[in-house]
Amino acid sequence: EEQLVESGGGLVKPGGSLRLSCVASGFTFSSYSMNWVRQAPGKGLEWVSSINDKSNYIYYADSVKGRFTISRDNAKNSLYLQMNSLRVEDTAIYYCARMGPHDYSNYWGQGTLVTVSS
Amino acid sequence: QSVLTQPPSVSAAPGQKVTISCSGSSSNIGNNYVSWYQQLPGTAPKLLIYDNNKRPSGIPDRFSGSKSGTSATLGITGLQTGDEADYYCGTWDRSLSGGVFGGGTRLTVL
Repeated sequence: EEQLVESGGGLVKPGGSLRLSCVASGFTFSSYSMNWVRQAPGKGLEWVSSINDKSNYIYYADSVKGRFTISRDNAKNSLYLQMNSLRVEDTAIYYCARMGPHDYSNYWGQGTLVTVSS
Repeated sequence: QSVLTQPPSVSAAPGQKVTISCSGSSSNIGNNYVSWYQQLPGTAPKLLIYDNNKRPSGIPDRFSGSKSGTSATLGITGLQTGDEADYYCGTWDRSLSGGVFGGGTRLTVL
């Protein structure tokens, strides 16, 4: 059974950093592109970043470009999101998701909450 | 303001049919596949429809998707109280080089 488990969320002050992790199991992680999607409290879904299987195609939303870095370690079945210069508006549940061939997300983790507050 | 436009809410009685629209442009829906997601309260999103009109294994055929030009539609027939959720459309935007979602539609089954 395909499973994604995020971790690394927490409370951080504005300007601080956090590193989110997502561990995959139940499928061949190295064969799939992966997404990070976030959801601010009471708001809709916002795509954050995508990375392909070999890490040679990486994309970011304008709202996080230059501050967030997506990466993966296929040997560890893990996806990461390094978040620097965090802002209050980055407060959200962050989901990792496995991507299908045509840019849809077919498996989602349970999410990890990031709260940016002084 | 979301790149894809959905109605904020729709409602219908149990057993009835409802449609949810998703409007975009030639840089997103017009030239890419559309997917739809269901998010029940307090849970992660779940894929309902992919490639405009395909259902993943386990999704009942009460759920359907279609696309025409720069718009897409999710249809749900035989509404059940368990269908009450937020529904999101999504696709890739070639101009933005990124994923985009609609603002979400809350379905109420009266």
